[in-house]
Amino acid sequence: DTGVSQDPRHKITKRGQNVTFRCDPISEHNRLYWYRQTLGQGPEFLTYFQNEAQLEKSRLLSDRFSAERPKGSFSTLEIQRTEQGDSAMYLCASSPRQGRVRTEAFFGQGTRLTVV
Amino acid sequence: GQSLEQPSEVTAVEGAIVQINCTYQTSGFYGLSWYQQHDGGAPTFLSYNGLDGLEETGRFSSFLSRSDSYGYLLLQELQMKDSASYFCAGGHGSGNTGKLIFGQGTTLQVKP
Repeated sequence: DTGVSQDPRHKITKRGQNVTFRCDPISEHNRLYWYRQTLGQGPEFLTYFQNEAQLEKSRLLSDRFSAERPKGSFSTLEIQRTEQGDSAMYLCASSPRQGRVRTEAFFGQGTRLTVV
Repeated sequence: GQSLEQPSEVTAVEGAIVQINCTYQTSGFYGLSWYQQHDGGAPTFLSYNGLDGLEETGRFSSFLSRSDSYGYLLLQELQMKDSASYFCAGGHGSGNTGKLIFGQGTTLQVKP
């Protein structure tokens, strides 16, 4: 296991369609995060899982967004009825609970979503 | 509210030293981290300050003053490969969740 992997790397979809992204964290990490990043901006926190429990969800996450982490392993982020404003890079990160550094997160390469 | 401010761009020459400042306004804040992101790449962790003072990791150092709500990242002996975006990020929330609030990023351009 060499790091956090995300699939797909790129996704182009028509407005109104649903999309689902997958994240496979580093295997021994029990914490998993989703962030969204638009061009020229820093990543924005979306949601956080500890094992299979979704413990925090940003107000940025509308009802069209849902995330799951069944069995505390991989996670999926689904966006329903996509809008052009959803176009962004969606980043997944993981960290161990008792990490060496409290906020050292390991990020995946992201899924770039383009809504046309 | 919660926000971190950093300069949008910095330019320096190869071999020089550059400092990227970060000021923050946030409640429920613990610690300041720094991440590097190359174009098209993933953010990668550089440094963390949980307490006031200086942390050194090779060519990179980071500083935090919680009383001044201020920190900086110092990059020494700049190399061309250091050209990237640098983000300060505050650890936020109770319970040590690891949630991060990021600044908007500083684009560093290293010139020969």
